[in-house]
Amino acid sequence: DIQMTQSPSSLSASVGDRVTITCRASQTVNSFLNWYQQKPGKAPNLLIYAASILHSGVSSRFSGSGSGTDFTLTISSLQPEDFATYYCQQSYSFRTFGQGTKVEIK
Amino acid sequence: QLQLQESGPGLVKPSETLSLTCTVSGGSINSINYYWGWIRQPPGKGLEWLGSVYHSGNTHYDPSLKSRVTISLDTSKNQFSLRLSSVTVADTAVYYCVGENQQWLVRPFDYWGQGTLVTVSS
Repeated sequence: DIQMTQSPSSLSASVGDRVTITCRASQTVNSFLNWYQQKPGKAPNLLIYAASILHSGVSSRFSGSGSGTDFTLTISSLQPEDFATYYCQQSYSFRTFGQGTKVEIK
Repeated sequence: QLQLQESGPGLVKPSETLSLTCTVSGGSINSINYYWGWIRQPPGKGLEWLGSVYHSGNTHYDPSLKSRVTISLDTSKNQFSLRLSSVTVADTAVYYCVGENQQWLVRPFDYWGQGTLVTVSS
């Protein structure tokens, strides 16, 4: 099984801050890496697929990069609606998610 | 625009079989563009993929749950279903049905149901 590890598990940030979340795979997943945002009590929403392609309708302040085993999700200027939990997910072999990164208000 | 809606019992007894149905609207489950699947989330925890089914009936399941999971299609009702056997309290979770987009090689989950909480308790 491919394990996905996100860091940090949580972070506190202020509106306007630049935020970076990392995701590491236990073995290569090439670019088979997707990112989701989940708000409390809601289903996750797709943000980025194939490591760096922004899903339709998602704000350009979100960006993704990486390939192989190391990936990042960056929010260029944190907005109030961005406080949520973020998950990475690999689809290279079966499907596994990272444990999530909770972005909280500082 | 696809819409997915889960339905089924909210309470299941230990050792019994959990059964959920997902109704798809706004598109056909015979679409070549989607796998249809299930993901769960225990209270306060992360996401776990259970498995997916294609319009051909081809399935793939998470290896750790494969012996207990069955996902099937009912094309006449535009629905797909999850059966999880021999449940324990560890199977208590919000269960989401999802659409897995086959148009992109990385097959992201771009449609989600709202989720339904299933509690395993006697």
